[in-house]
Amino acid sequence: EPEVTQTPSHQVTQMGQEVILRCVPISNHLYFYWYRQILGQKVEFLVSFYNNEISEKSEIFDDQFSVERPDGSNFTLKIRSTKLEDSAMYFCASMSGHSGNTIYFGEGSWLTVV
Amino acid sequence: GENVEQHPSTLSVQEGDSAVIKCTYSDSASNYFPWYKQELGKRPQLIIDIRSNVGEKKDQRIAVTLNKTAKHFSLHITETQPEDSAVYFCAHRGDTGFQKLVFGTGTRLLVSP
Repeated sequence: EPEVTQTPSHQVTQMGQEVILRCVPISNHLYFYWYRQILGQKVEFLVSFYNNEISEKSEIFDDQFSVERPDGSNFTLKIRSTKLEDSAMYFCASMSGHSGNTIYFGEGSWLTVV
Repeated sequence: GENVEQHPSTLSVQEGDSAVIKCTYSDSASNYFPWYKQELGKRPQLIIDIRSNVGEKKDQRIAVTLNKTAKHFSLHITETQPEDSAVYFCAHRGDTGFQKLVFGTGTRLLVSP
């Protein structure tokens, strides 16, 4: 069964450093998302991406965040200058956009900012 | 208007008992309601979903009911097993295009043998 894949699975970074989290959505899916989950809390929406542009973003997704689809397969989340409170599990997700519209989540990238 | 309340936050049952988790939403445009199971350190896994044109859906020991008038939906797990222990999240979404999923706050279910 096709899966959303994410790298790295875990990253530790110094506060103020830039981080790029990478995702390969399911092939032929058209809608892409990033969600965040702080330890012990709920899953929070960050951003959705369709047709090579951001379609919606949350208040969390401020100027420090950006997303990119540099080629036909990768979908990246960049945090320019990490803060301690950015420590969380970041989930990439994708959806086909056809019948069913199920959102499939990747395994997540655990980011620890020290 | 897009938040969803989920109760209870924790639920402890004995193996074989039933478990019920309830969610209430406020956005009348919502018409897709999935439930996710998340084990520690893992991704959310879709276990069942329901759309607004259906009042109930069942898949083996799991069922979801939807009351669109009252804007609440529930997850029912029968004959619980220890491996059902996890955090369960409800979510909702409008069913047009790319609308985001909005998650509830989660219910930690513990099934004791």
